[in-house]
Amino acid sequence: DAGVTQSPTHLIKTRGQQVTLRCSPKSGHDTVSWYQQALGQGPQFIFQYYEEEERQRGNFPDRFSGHQFPNYSSELNVNALLLGDSALYLCASSLLGKPNTEAFFGQGTRLTVV
Amino acid sequence: SQELEQSPQSLIVQEGKNLTINCTSSKTLYGLYWYKQKYGEGLIFLMMLQKGGEEKSHEKITAKLDEKKQQSSLHITASQPSHAGIYLCGADRTSNAGGTSYGKLTFGQGTILTVHP
Repeated sequence: DAGVTQSPTHLIKTRGQQVTLRCSPKSGHDTVSWYQQALGQGPQFIFQYYEEEERQRGNFPDRFSGHQFPNYSSELNVNALLLGDSALYLCASSLLGKPNTEAFFGQGTRLTVV
Repeated sequence: SQELEQSPQSLIVQEGKNLTINCTSSKTLYGLYWYKQKYGEGLIFLMMLQKGGEEKSHEKITAKLDEKKQQSSLHITASQPSHAGIYLCGADRTSNAGGTSYGKLTFGQGTILTVHP
């Protein structure tokens, strides 16, 4: 059973560019959440997708947007990249609204903005 | 201030020693997760606690959620170099007393564990 997979693993972009990160959830999960983890910090919730819609959002600007596909996979898009967007981006999958559900994380995408 | 405070921020122990990491919340915890992270990598799920007084163990790691449900501890017995990493506690602020989770996790800042052989 494949767990949560993310691509690419590493990415270098220039300020002002746009980037797309991808995530495939664990088999059987229907919800994808995205997190940003800056160096030395815990992950910060960006947003969550369920049934192809954004259900919850953290305190991130509109430059951060996403999408969920019918097969539950998801993309995170960041426009007009800033140096401060450099971080590890983590995707987590779960079953929405189910008791005792567990959230499983992917290996992350390391984004460096130069 | 952080919603979830972890202590200590870092910990260095000799192999074979026991250790405890604490996670304190400013709000009632209905769903508390423990994860382990190797530097620059993804989070590995360890345990999830929901009920006050609940205790779970996996191999040499035990996690507890206190009765008042505002603090959790992670205890490692007879530590090994393989236990080294960053330990993160996460609270599902959108879950309720019935245990239903909505998957929006708020994390502590992490505890860096070093185990010397």
